[in-house]
Amino acid sequence: AQSVTQLGSHVSVSEGALVLLRCNYSSSVPPYLFWYVQYPNQGLQLLLKYTTGATLVKGINGFEAEFKKSETSFHLTKPSAHMSDAAEYFCAVSSYNQGGKLIFGQGTELSVKP
Amino acid sequence: DTAVSQTPKYLVTQMGNDKSIKCEQNLGHDTMYWYKQDSKKFLKIMFSYNNKELIINETVPNRFSPKSPDKAHLNLHINSLELGDSAVYFCASSQPIDKTQYFGPGTRLLVL
Repeated sequence: AQSVTQLGSHVSVSEGALVLLRCNYSSSVPPYLFWYVQYPNQGLQLLLKYTTGATLVKGINGFEAEFKKSETSFHLTKPSAHMSDAAEYFCAVSSYNQGGKLIFGQGTELSVKP
Repeated sequence: DTAVSQTPKYLVTQMGNDKSIKCEQNLGHDTMYWYKQDSKKFLKIMFSYNNKELIINETVPNRFSPKSPDKAHLNLHINSLELGDSAVYFCASSQPIDKTQYFGPGTRLLVL
């Protein structure tokens, strides 16, 4: 069975500081990995994804993530936080043999202090 | 143009009532999903349809019945609503080759 663990339900950074949101996954088959962002009272928006190929993936709004198979991790980073980055972030995993369903982590709420 | 739309956006109802939530996607995708987000923001798959055929049913109470009249629409009907059904319900769609799921804005259901 697949699972996702996001370390830290709340992360707070200062504007301009590095953002690091941690995600570890468990999967018995090659995973597809995703980061979604949810702004208050809105749906989920895809930030970036890893399916195959280059392990460092770049997404929207300056975010990127690196797939590390040996560490079963897919951490999300952004060099410099902006006030508008404050939101809930979800890491998710799926695979070719799971009918495409996404298994989500618990979510990490990012706060950005001025 | 809204890619994945849901109606209604908010739904407040009494325990025991029956209600429906509608979802439509104009992306031409073959696969559609329903997810439930609980009060702690945890997201869980409920159902998935591929080309009008049910492919995922994740141990959801049979009070929940999805219906797909065509591959652009996936509706969710809930019978005998309970307090625990209060949640945000998200519809999503994808094309298998792309693997990315596109989400609707959500329907916020409150059962009183």
